[in-house]
Amino acid sequence: GAGVSQSPSNKVTEKGKDVELRCDPISGHTALYWYRQRLGQGLEFLIYFQGNSAPDKSGLPSDRFSAERTGESVSTLTIQRTQQEDSAVYLCASSQTPRFGEQYFGPGTRLTVT
Amino acid sequence: TQLLEQSPQFLSIQEGENLTVYCNSSSVFSSLQWYRQEPGEGPVLLVTVVTGGEVKKLKRLTFQFGDARKDSSLHITAAQPGDTGLYLCAGGGPGGATNKLIFGTGTLLAVQP
Repeated sequence: GAGVSQSPSNKVTEKGKDVELRCDPISGHTALYWYRQRLGQGLEFLIYFQGNSAPDKSGLPSDRFSAERTGESVSTLTIQRTQQEDSAVYLCASSQTPRFGEQYFGPGTRLTVT
Repeated sequence: TQLLEQSPQFLSIQEGENLTVYCNSSSVFSSLQWYRQEPGEGPVLLVTVVTGGEVKKLKRLTFQFGDARKDSSLHITAAQPGDTGLYLCAGGGPGGATNKLIFGTGTLLAVQP
């Protein structure tokens, strides 16, 4: 079956513009996660969805970041008024609950803010 | 803040050599996973260990979870160029938060032919 997909794969935007990043999880996976990864580094947790609810938003770095999920499927991560420090790869993962921990990742969206 | 420190950060070795990557924390985790990530792709799960002292083998890779469930190691025997990538450990269930993974700082491995 299809894995996690993300779009766009690359996004270059000017400082101050808004961007939307999309994630399509594996069908039937109720949990969805967003992470940020700076070059050559580990993953920084941003937000976790269980169904369409986000019980853990603790990793969102500022109020410029928001995310939503609809239909227990697609999720969108929105960054408003982008800054250069937002440049990174944004990764989405999904998992079946309650089987904790085995997360399946998409290929990521590489965001460059100029 | 829970932190998983990996060492070494970078490792460049010749094909056929052995290596060990370490993942250490002061926090107790309910599970520990190892992922490998290749350029332009998302991390791919290699193994999950859940019991203190557990050892799992996957072909030339051996994973160990520390007795106190605070640390882990990954040993690769006779490394091959295909093993090249970023290795990430991830601790599950910190502080009872069963739906969260804390990722380590990463080890970038390059195996030269």
